[in-house]
Amino acid sequence: KAGVTQTPRYLIKTRGQQVTLSCSPISGHRSVSWYQQTPGQGLQFLFEYFSETQRNKGNFPGRFSGRQFSNSRSEMNVSTLELGDSALYLCASSLLAGAGTGELFFGEGSRLTVL
Amino acid sequence: GENVEQHPSTLSVQEGDSAVIKCTYSDSASNYFPWYKQELGKGPQLIIDIRSNVGEKKDQRIAVTLNKTAKHFSLHITETQPEDSAVYFCAASSIPGKLIFGQGTTLQVKP
Repeated sequence: KAGVTQTPRYLIKTRGQQVTLSCSPISGHRSVSWYQQTPGQGLQFLFEYFSETQRNKGNFPGRFSGRQFSNSRSEMNVSTLELGDSALYLCASSLLAGAGTGELFFGEGSRLTVL
Repeated sequence: GENVEQHPSTLSVQEGDSAVIKCTYSDSASNYFPWYKQELGKGPQLIIDIRSNVGEKKDQRIAVTLNKTAKHFSLHITETQPEDSAVYFCAASSIPGKLIFGQGTTLQVKP
């Protein structure tokens, strides 16, 4: 069974540009979450989608956005990039979608460098 | 706000020894506590988890304990091996898909 797939794995952008990252969840998983990982702040929750709806959002500015498609694939977008946006962006998928919390399975991440 | 404190930040043990990592959470609504192992250049890998209605869970050399009253949980690795060397993260969750992570523990197992 294929795991969570994230593309691209590495990318370099300059300040002011925008970037779109893609995530394909494990087959059958309908919940997708996004996390930002930096050496200083660690792993921080960005947002979570289920059935094309954003259910939860972390404390990030509006420049960070996302969406989920009917096939559960998800994208996140960061506009007007800043140097501080350089990070590993991780996507995780989960099978459990109800009130309980289920196991999250992470992809390898997309490494974004902003120059 | 929601917070998870993790200690120690670094841990060095001899092969065959045990390793213990401790975490404390602040949100009393948290009901799910996973542990992740992250190797260099890879995403976090779930190694064990525990839910709030269980006090202890074991999987081969790995065990996790939960004390809801004190709001802390711990990871125990016995008979450590060099391949256990990695960064370990604890997390707490009360909302689907949203994990609050600790700052991580770098475990080094010396042969």
